[in-house]
Amino acid sequence: TQLLEQSPQFLSIQEGENLTVYCNSSSVFSSLQWYRQEPGEGPVLLVTVVTGGEVKKLKRLTFQFGDARKDSSLHITAAQPGDTGLYLCAGANPSGTYKYIFGTGTRLKVLA
Amino acid sequence: ETGVTQTPRHLVMGMTNKKSLKCEQHLGHNAMYWYKQSAKKPLELMFVYNFKEQTENNSVPSRFSPECPNSSHLFLHLHTLQPEDSALYLCASKGAVGTEAFFGQGTRLTVV
Repeated sequence: TQLLEQSPQFLSIQEGENLTVYCNSSSVFSSLQWYRQEPGEGPVLLVTVVTGGEVKKLKRLTFQFGDARKDSSLHITAAQPGDTGLYLCAGANPSGTYKYIFGTGTRLKVLA
Repeated sequence: ETGVTQTPRHLVMGMTNKKSLKCEQHLGHNAMYWYKQSAKKPLELMFVYNFKEQTENNSVPSRFSPECPNSSHLFLHLHTLQPEDSALYLCASKGAVGTEAFFGQGTRLTVV
């Protein structure tokens, strides 16, 4: 069973602080995605990382894929209340099937 | 707008009712998914269809019955559900292996 464990599970911080969310697995993934989900809505894709060691930036968000393609991190600089939401990592099975699994999720709350 | 549409957005049903959830995508994707998201639990993969063929059934109870008449449409037929089946049901579609999934807005189901 491929499991994607995220940490921390919950995070409450003040506006302007930095944070890092981790996504870890014992399995290798051909790619990893990060999504953000608002209450009552579907997850919305933020980024895809494909190459081991890859770093992608999306404004204040920095995403990194581990060298062995088993883990990823999301770093937010100077968090804002609009960053509040559920952050999910997801991975595609490298064996070629369409099984697509999600991490356990990190619920972020940024206080003004 | 992700290109994946789910209806209805909200559904309240009794334990003896029969209802269906609908998902439609016009992204040209060949894989479609049903996920269940309960409060404070990770996204659970329920079913995967690839080119109309079911490729994954994640030990889902038979009171949930999926149907995929073509690559653009996916249904989830519900009958004799239990209150613990109340959750947000999310549909997603995906292109080639290794690419990201796109989600609908979900159906909030309440079983009374």
